[in-house]
Amino acid sequence: DVKVTQSSRYLVKRTGEKVFLECVQDMDHENMFWYRQDPGLGLRLIYFSYDVKMKEKGDIPEGYSVSREKKERFSLILESASTNQTSMYLCASSQGTANYGYTFGSGTRLTVV
Amino acid sequence: AQSVSQHNHHVILSEAASLELGCNYSYGGTVNLFWYVQYPGQHLQLLLKYFSGDPLVKGIKGFEAEFIKSKFSFNLRKPSVQWSDTAEYFCASQRKGSQGNLIFGKGTKLSVKP
Repeated sequence: DVKVTQSSRYLVKRTGEKVFLECVQDMDHENMFWYRQDPGLGLRLIYFSYDVKMKEKGDIPEGYSVSREKKERFSLILESASTNQTSMYLCASSQGTANYGYTFGSGTRLTVV
Repeated sequence: AQSVSQHNHHVILSEAASLELGCNYSYGGTVNLFWYVQYPGQHLQLLLKYFSGDPLVKGIKGFEAEFIKSKFSFNLRKPSVQWSDTAEYFCASQRKGSQGNLIFGKGTKLSVKP
């Protein structure tokens, strides 16, 4: 089974801090994604990557950046954390073509105080 | 633009009741369709998916969904729910034949009373 591992389950950070959320997948998937999940809003795509060193903006990229230096790792960076970035962050990966759906990590619940 | 609508925000049922959760997608081309489930405190898991062929798709735990192209719908059904089906359910669409992203609906929370 593909595993998608997110480094932290819970994080508490202060406003203005730079925050790194890490995601690693172990099945050589080309595609990786970062979503945030908020009650009543479902999942919203922040950034995604189809290849190493490649990144594309999703629907809500403002205040975030990403890094994909290795195929298995996709990092989400909050440049200067704000309280409205308190959320559940989900990482996912998938194979190269579209017909496989995603495998999700367990999520990181980030609280910005 | 592609979008997915889930009709119900919160559904409350008693055990053994039948379930139908609505999902409509908006995209003029061909799509793959998915239902994911998130049990309390757990990660999103794939329930079932439709790529092509028989429009009635069977998934895990007795769930099924029917793709009706003329209605742009992919409703999720289960004949008899159990307390353990309490979860949030997400419908998603994906443009076929590309590395297109999954577009999710806002989710439907299902609460099953024992």
